[in-house]
Amino acid sequence: NAGVTQTPKFQVLKTGQSMTLQCAQDMNHEYMSWYRQDPGMGLRLIHYSVGAGITDQGEVPNGYNVSRSTTEDFPLRLLSAAPSQTSVYFCATTQGEQYFGPGTRLTVT
Amino acid sequence: AQSVAQPEDQVNVAEGNPLTVKCTYSVSGNPYLFWYVQYPNRGLQFLLKYITGDNLVKGSYGFEAEFNKSQTSFHLKKPSALVSDSALYFCAVSSYNTDKLIFGTGTRLQVFP
Repeated sequence: NAGVTQTPKFQVLKTGQSMTLQCAQDMNHEYMSWYRQDPGMGLRLIHYSVGAGITDQGEVPNGYNVSRSTTEDFPLRLLSAAPSQTSVYFCATTQGEQYFGPGTRLTVT
Repeated sequence: AQSVAQPEDQVNVAEGNPLTVKCTYSVSGNPYLFWYVQYPNRGLQFLLKYITGDNLVKGSYGFEAEFNKSQTSFHLKKPSALVSDSALYFCAVSSYNTDKLIFGTGTRLQVFP
């Protein structure tokens, strides 16, 4: 039982590049979410999904897209990276409490 | 709108002393309250939660938290701190269910030997 996995662990992008942060879970939880963590700002919700085929925006959705074709996977897409998106990104699932992945540290230059 | 405040950026305590990490919240309706801990270069780990019932909640690693409705607080406590408790602690709240959480900005706990 791997729980919540995220790839890659680290990524450096140039401004304007696109990429997808992967998130997978093997706990069969319906609810999944993406957060970004910035110093002094805690965790802010980007997007979330209450089940396959259903997604919604969180607090800071601009510049990010998501889709949820299966229960297991919830990728986060950056279509045109900006330096303001430099952050640590966490994926989480929820059933009673939240289970977090190990995070992806993204730097946009 | 829901909000969570952690008024202290950092808390310093000597090993063996009691510790308190403060959290206050604002929600409409009954709150669901959580504490999470983050060790360096790791994701967040669940410590404890209050949904309903006894105001004193016991959690992992000897931590506990007290729900105080009149003061809208949910402070994290431990009777005797360990150096290994040094980490970043987050309080979180939801007013609808346990799925969509609003997190505080975090408090760094430093326990000195």
